Amino acid sequence: LAKTTQPISMDSYEGQEVNITCSHNNIATNDYITWYQQFPSQGPRFIIQGYKTKVTNEVASLFIPADRKSSTLSLPRVSLSDTAVYYCLVGETNAGKSTFGDGTTLTVKP
Amino acid sequence: DAGITQSPRHKVTETGTPVTLRCHQTENHRYMYWYRQDPGHGLRLIHYSYGVKDTDKGEVSDGYSVSRSKTEDFLLTLESATSSQTSVYFCAISESIGNRGDSYEQYFGPGTRLTVT
Repeated sequence: LAKTTQPISMDSYEGQEVNITCSHNNIATNDYITWYQQFPSQGPRFIIQGYKTKVTNEVASLFIPADRKSSTLSLPRVSLSDTAVYYCLVGETNAGKSTFGDGTTLTVKP
Repeated sequence: DAGITQSPRHKVTETGTPVTLRCHQTENHRYMYWYRQDPGHGLRLIHYSYGVKDTDKGEVSDGYSVSRSKTEDFLLTLESATSSQTSVYFCAISESIGNRGDSYEQYFGPGTRLTVT
């Protein structure tokens, strides 16, 4: 199982762009990279997933370099409601063997 | 929100007693998962299922067993609960959608808070 490493915490201010980087040096060929968001007392919620290069959806962008040993979640213009824990998950689709790290606690300040 | 329910939502039990947690889905998704989450930590996979009667172990499966007799239900059993199994348990579901490049995500239930005294 590919192990992931993320910063424990990050602070930001409303309106700023936030970039959270995840390191996954042992990523396997078939592994996807997925990011989840979790609020207190709730289950995680899917944000974005990618395999290589760049993926963008309505809430975030995911940048993956050519060697795929890291990835960066980019949240544009964060608001107070983006305060949450963000998890980087690396695992093979359909294999049920994805591994969550301890996540990054993002605190957005007014 | 995906149709996933967990029962019970809260449970307090004594050491040595058996406990069964239930996850029920209405999405007809193939894959189901059980995770545990301890305070200040991420989720750790206990067991998962890739179809009816098809299950496999995750990274923290010792002390837990699972069963899936129907697509919609995935049961997690603690045969003899211990205090180290005090945790929040999350069920998740997913359905693979095709080839590389297609989106794949897990949908999580609301969680069950289990306390073993």
